[in-house]
Amino acid sequence: NAGVTQTPKFQVLKTGQSMTLQCAQDMNHNSMYWYRQDPGMGLRLIYYSASEGTTDKGEVPNGYNVSRLNKREFSLRLESAAPSQTSVYFCASSPKLGAFGYTFGSGTRLTVV
Amino acid sequence: AQTVTQSQPEMSVQEAETVTLSCTYDTSESDYYLFWYKQPPSRQMILVIRQEAYKQQNATENRFSVNFQKAAKSFSLKISDSQLGDAAMYFCACPIQGAQKLVFGQGTRLTINP
Repeated sequence: NAGVTQTPKFQVLKTGQSMTLQCAQDMNHNSMYWYRQDPGMGLRLIYYSASEGTTDKGEVPNGYNVSRLNKREFSLRLESAAPSQTSVYFCASSPKLGAFGYTFGSGTRLTVV
Repeated sequence: AQTVTQSQPEMSVQEAETVTLSCTYDTSESDYYLFWYKQPPSRQMILVIRQEAYKQQNATENRFSVNFQKAAKSFSLKISDSQLGDAAMYFCACPIQGAQKLVFGQGTRLTINP
């Protein structure tokens, strides 16, 4: 089925470890996004890529890096995980925000111990 | 600052009754769409309804409708004939920065009582 695929769905890291969250969409969307969801804080934007070849910081970029590998793929990297990065991470995509809103992946629950 | 506020962290309603979830927003965009998303326990984010700010008529999708008051920057979601499957977190969202991205409210957890 067409959509946004995120891997992994669950991950436990030790403080200081690194990992990359993968996201791929097969809808030929231009824009891709990474959000984190924390209780009582809604979804906060980490990074986004308005089009292939561009990336921009969102509201909470510290401790993260991203790569727009091609039009389909947008990865999020934690270089040195911290307990404050324990969260649920969502990848989303959009053809052009406007009327379309986002199509979301199923999320990654990350725990840093 | 461009923000979205959902003032009700939790709401509950009896099955088959009607419930309204509140949302206020602030955006500098001139032409934009507003969105409500549903997040059931499965964690998947699902688009419920969208409203074009230039349209006077409130959007409706089956049992879901909005009460959009542009001057007041208010965008509430009404769920009629509530069903057990409506139990979820609900988020409203509005675009910012040249409509390149969405900012989300804090969410309202809706419980349906049988």
